[in-house]
Amino acid sequence: KNEVEQSPQNLTAQEGEFITINCSYSVGISALHWLQQHPGGGIVSLFMLSSGKKKHGRLIATINIQEKHSSLHITASHPRDSAVYICAADSNYQLIWGAGTKLIIKP
Amino acid sequence: ETGVTQSPTHLIKTRGQQVTLRCSSQSGHNTVSWYQQALGQGPQFIFQYYREEENGRGNFPPRFSGLQFPNYSSELNVNALELDDSALYLCASSLGLGQYEQYFGPGTRLTVT
Repeated sequence: KNEVEQSPQNLTAQEGEFITINCSYSVGISALHWLQQHPGGGIVSLFMLSSGKKKHGRLIATINIQEKHSSLHITASHPRDSAVYICAADSNYQLIWGAGTKLIIKP
Repeated sequence: ETGVTQSPTHLIKTRGQQVTLRCSSQSGHNTVSWYQQALGQGPQFIFQYYREEENGRGNFPPRFSGLQFPNYSSELNVNALELDDSALYLCASSLGLGQYEQYFGPGTRLTVT
């Protein structure tokens, strides 16, 4: 069993739909990161959170420390949101990465 | 404020050769982490440097080594290249250890033939 698991692995949705990506982890963490990776490799940090909820534009990230679970939500999804979304657990000195969720938003 | 930069962008090497990849941290960042991302897979942690000292290491053999300089720029060196070393190598810098956001460079695509 991987230490960080994401679901779903792939997600295709229509423009405007509400998107949820889930992340569960089994290690002790100091923080949970959500990152976005576009084709070609560039990685952008979206959120770093250790409790509660954070919002940035149409993106919302939540974490439940007791349940070791985090979710990333995208409201009013748009084709430009198409990317791979990765959660990573900040454990000791390293990031332990989930396998990523490939999101495709169709117009 | 400049972002994280990496050089070169692409590199082709032959099995058995040695390679050096470079990373310039974001201004003010004293911590850098290196990751290897094979095609179709998630990044794997190689090691982290904090104030010029190695602070942690993932499951990579000793032929993967690194350096961090006084200006906090960093190098990743790989000796005796193997075909499986072909991957995207990413560096990320942060303000320090602990709960700091990591800022990623664009990566170096290494191909070993």
